[in-house]
Amino acid sequence: DAGVTQSPTHLIKTRGQQVTLRCSPISGHKSVSWYQQVLGQGPQFIFQYYEKEERGRGNFPDRFSARQFPNYSSELNVNALLLGDSALYLCASSFGTGGDGYTFGSGTRLTVV
Amino acid sequence: QKEVEQNSGPLSVPEGAIASLNCTYSDRGSQSFFWYRQYSGKSPELIMFIYSNGDKEDGRFTAQLNKASQYVSLLIRDSQPSDSATYLCAVLTSGTYKYIFGTGTRLKVLA
Repeated sequence: DAGVTQSPTHLIKTRGQQVTLRCSPISGHKSVSWYQQVLGQGPQFIFQYYEKEERGRGNFPDRFSARQFPNYSSELNVNALLLGDSALYLCASSFGTGGDGYTFGSGTRLTVV
Repeated sequence: QKEVEQNSGPLSVPEGAIASLNCTYSDRGSQSFFWYRQYSGKSPELIMFIYSNGDKEDGRFTAQLNKASQYVSLLIRDSQPSDSATYLCAVLTSGTYKYIFGTGTRLKVLA
């Protein structure tokens, strides 16, 4: 069975550019969450989508946006990139709303230069 | 006060010993608690979760929850060098769908 798949795996962008990260959840999972992990820190919650509706948003600026498609895949968009956006972006999926634990993808490593 | 606190470590234990990892949380209404393991350069993987006060065992792992004291712990019995990783505690906050993670405890199991 395929796990949570994320693309791309690595990305280098310049300050001010925009980036789109993609995530495909485990088959049958209806919830997708996005987390940002900076080196040496735990993951920070960005968004959660369940049944294609936004169910939660973390303390991130409006430059961050996301959506979930009818097939439950998801995209995370970040506009006007800053150096501080350099991090590992993790997508996680679950069947429900996360009460039984999320399964994480391998992440997208974003470097902003 | 951080919402979820963990000692960053490193916690060093000899092979075969019991490793004890601790986590405290501030939201008294939190109801679900999770332990993830993260190897260097990899993504977190779920070890186990616990909802109720007391102990929950899964193989060499035991999660312990004490809601009155607002702490959750993870015991790893018969620690192996392959257990060397960062262990993340996560709390599902009440009334939301988001996990709050601690900064993680780095465990080193010495052969």
